[in-house]
Amino acid sequence: GAVVSQHPSWVICKSGTSVKIECRSLDFQATTMFWYRQFPKQSLMLMATSNEGSKATYEQGVEKDKFLINHASLTLSTLTVTSAHPEDSSFYICSARDLETQRNMQYFGPGTRLTVL
Amino acid sequence: QKEVEQDPGPLSVPEGAIVSLNCTYSNSAFQYFMWYRQYSRKGPELLMYTYSSGNKEDGRFTAQVDKSSKYISLFIRDSQPSDSATYLCAMTPDTNAGKSTFGDGTTLTVKP
Repeated sequence: GAVVSQHPSWVICKSGTSVKIECRSLDFQATTMFWYRQFPKQSLMLMATSNEGSKATYEQGVEKDKFLINHASLTLSTLTVTSAHPEDSSFYICSARDLETQRNMQYFGPGTRLTVL
Repeated sequence: QKEVEQDPGPLSVPEGAIVSLNCTYSNSAFQYFMWYRQYSRKGPELLMYTYSSGNKEDGRFTAQVDKSSKYISLFIRDSQPSDSATYLCAMTPDTNAGKSTFGDGTTLTVKP
């Protein structure tokens, strides 16, 4: 149980294009989803927290207009990197939590590696 | 000072060794304590989950929480090369809006 998937697993795009990453909870309803980015050999950096049906809460320093997050259903959240640039190249990981049944545990997706040329 | 400090490593041990991974924290509101394992280029995988103080054992893994000292540990017995990964501790306060605070991770290599 508690499986989270991400799609795509890797993506290469040209500078200036937008990229959408999907995060799905496959066997539970995720009341909350989190988006992280991780640079090589560094720790997870929380970008934003999204609750189903409401606007995402962004961490300080994260541009909300650049990283658009939508959590339209209890099993799906999307992260869109708009007008991507090479400095946005990173490993993006989502996690999901069902507060009712899982309390404060988070289950992570496998990650999406984004390379912007 | 960070809320969660994790021994940075890297840690290299021979196969079969007992491994001890540790984190300290400063926020007394933390009630939930987790250990995640992350293989290279993969998402973190939840290994152990403990509520409040005490010990929890699962196979070769034992998680310990000492809230009085604000110190948590993960022990791995009979370590295997497949245990080679980065281990992250994480903690959450007991609130509905609680988000986890992660340590920076300790990279473990178990040599055959």
